[in-house]
Amino acid sequence: DGGITQSPKYLFRKEGQNVTLSCEQNLNHDAMYWYRQDPGQGLRLIYYSQIVNDFQKGDIAEGYSVSREKKESFPLTVTSAQKNPTAFYLCASSIGLAGFNEQFFGPGTRLTVL
Amino acid sequence: EDQVTQSPEALRLQEGESSSLNCSYTVSGLRGLFWYRQDPGKGPEFLFTLYSAGEEKEKERLKATLTKKESFLHITAPKPEDSATYLCAVYNQGGKLIFGQGTELSVKP
Repeated sequence: DGGITQSPKYLFRKEGQNVTLSCEQNLNHDAMYWYRQDPGQGLRLIYYSQIVNDFQKGDIAEGYSVSREKKESFPLTVTSAQKNPTAFYLCASSIGLAGFNEQFFGPGTRLTVL
Repeated sequence: EDQVTQSPEALRLQEGESSSLNCSYTVSGLRGLFWYRQDPGKGPEFLFTLYSAGEEKEKERLKATLTKKESFLHITAPKPEDSATYLCAVYNQGGKLIFGQGTELSVKP
């Protein structure tokens, strides 16, 4: 079955720690995205990538980093510089950015700071 | 400023009671409007894409329509399993997908 997987489903972070969220897709999509979802707010774009070894900052990139070494994978690292990281993180992919295509989402990772 | 506003924030219906959810948008050059369904603790599930005013899409009890300034998601004779948060999103000219805050729908038996 084609789809997007995210792991872990739940993640707990201590103050000062960096944590990495995994996102893998087998849809052969070129574009991948990371969003953050907070209660009462719309999804906010953190980073996106249109092609391997290239990525761009979204609206709230501070305190986050990404890599795109493989087409299928787009991990997100939440660094200690992110002061309010507790949120629901969603990874998405689309055929390509240029075509304004629908984005398909993974199941999400809920990150909690202890 | 590009913006998407959904109303109402929450909607409670009885089973079988039809209603509509609204998504109004202000973007320079609409490149597509998307509806998603999101269940608690899960990722959004894609429902519909609409590209031009007058376009309509249907799926089971759901029907999405589009005008130049807004979209409606009509729910006909809803069932409890239709309870979820419905998200609307639009692409702006720059290729960024802008999301509304969602409408939380609750359908009681």
